[in-house]
Amino acid sequence: EIVLTQSPGTLSLSPGEGVTLSCRASQRVSTNLAWYQQKPGQAPRLLIHGASIGATGTPDRFNGSGSGADFSLTISRLEPEDFAVYYCQQYGTSPYTFGQGTKLEI
Amino acid sequence: QITLKESGPTLVRPTQTLTLTCSVSGFSLSTTGMGVGWVRQPPGKALEWLVSVYWNDDKRDSPSLRSRVTITKETSKNQVVLTMTNMDPVDTATYYCVGGGNYQGKFEFWGQGTPVTVSS
Repeated sequence: EIVLTQSPGTLSLSPGEGVTLSCRASQRVSTNLAWYQQKPGQAPRLLIHGASIGATGTPDRFNGSGSGADFSLTISRLEPEDFAVYYCQQYGTSPYTFGQGTKLEI
Repeated sequence: QITLKESGPTLVRPTQTLTLTCSVSGFSLSTTGMGVGWVRQPPGKALEWLVSVYWNDDKRDSPSLRSRVTITKETSKNQVVLTMTNMDPVDTATYYCVGGGNYQGKFEFWGQGTPVTVSS
């Protein structure tokens, strides 16, 4: 099973700031890596797939990068609605696995 | 518009079997490349993928739960059914029905989730 380690666990930031979240895989997954955003009381929403491809409706300020085992999600200028929990997920090899999440808080 | 809607019990007793149904609208379960599965999330914890079934009846599951989890695709009803046996309090979670295309394990579509509590 491929383990995904996200860092940091929690980030305290302000609107307008930029941020980069990290996701490291225990084995290479090529670019079979997705990022999801989850707000309190809501289902997760797919933001990025293929490591760097924006899903439908994903704002341009979200940018995914990486391949192999090291991945990043960069948010260029935080909007108030961006404060949420972000999960990475690998889907290159079953069982599909998620990271433990990074919480962005104001 | 694609929607996935979960239904089933909110309370299950320990050792009982959980059965959840996902009703899919907006695409057919026989559409090439499409898959539907289940992801759960214990309160305050991370997401955990359980199982998926694809348009061609290919199934993928989590080895840690393989002995307890079954997924059934009912194409005529456009529904997917999750069965989990021998429920335990640690299985208390919100269970999400998820879907995606291109014969991949990413999840473009999510149901609203259904909370399941395991308690006597």
